[in-house]
Amino acid sequence: GAGVSQSPSNKVTEKGKDVELRCDPISGHTALYWYRQSLGQGLEFLIYFQGNSAPDKSGLPSDRFSAERTGGSVSTLTIQRTQQEDSAVYLCASSLEAGETQYFGPGTRLLVL
Amino acid sequence: GESVGLHLPTLSVQEGDNSIINCAYSNSASDYFIWYKQESGKGPQFIIDIRSNMDKRQGQRVTVLLNKTVKHLSLQIAATQPGDSAVYFCAENIGNDYKLSFGAGTTVTVRA
Repeated sequence: GAGVSQSPSNKVTEKGKDVELRCDPISGHTALYWYRQSLGQGLEFLIYFQGNSAPDKSGLPSDRFSAERTGGSVSTLTIQRTQQEDSAVYLCASSLEAGETQYFGPGTRLLVL
Repeated sequence: GESVGLHLPTLSVQEGDNSIINCAYSNSASDYFIWYKQESGKGPQFIIDIRSNMDKRQGQRVTVLLNKTVKHLSLQIAATQPGDSAVYFCAENIGNDYKLSFGAGTTVTVRA
């Protein structure tokens, strides 16, 4: 079946602009995660959604970052007033249930000029 | 080829040889471990996982070994192929926590 999809695949924006990144999880997966990967680094947890429960936002680096998940499926990560240090690959993953294997999408490469 | 010590960021291996990628973890409460492969420009791809009640698990051409005594995890790739060239990450999960904690990754380069 289809894997996790993300859009756009690449995004170039100017400092101070807002950006929205989209994630479509694997159908039937109840858990959805966002991670950030800076150049040459490992993955940094950002936020987690499980079903209708309140999301765990503990990994979000600042209040400029927010995310929502509508209808328990598609998720959008929003970065307001982007800064150059926000440049990274933003990866989305989903799993059947919390604690199960996480499957990743291809990521969105964000470059803030 | 083998990466040793706490962590070596790169590993060069001759095509056809076996590769061993090592990972040290620090949290003794971790009970689920995963290896991911990430090729350039792509997201991490699940390779194999192991839970803490096991010390070895085999897949196709890959074997994961877990040594809880020294908190060490390794990924063995048999008969390494050019398509195995990628960055390999180990990740750990604690109890029912859903957050994966990733290592920095090891870059594997396969020499023809």
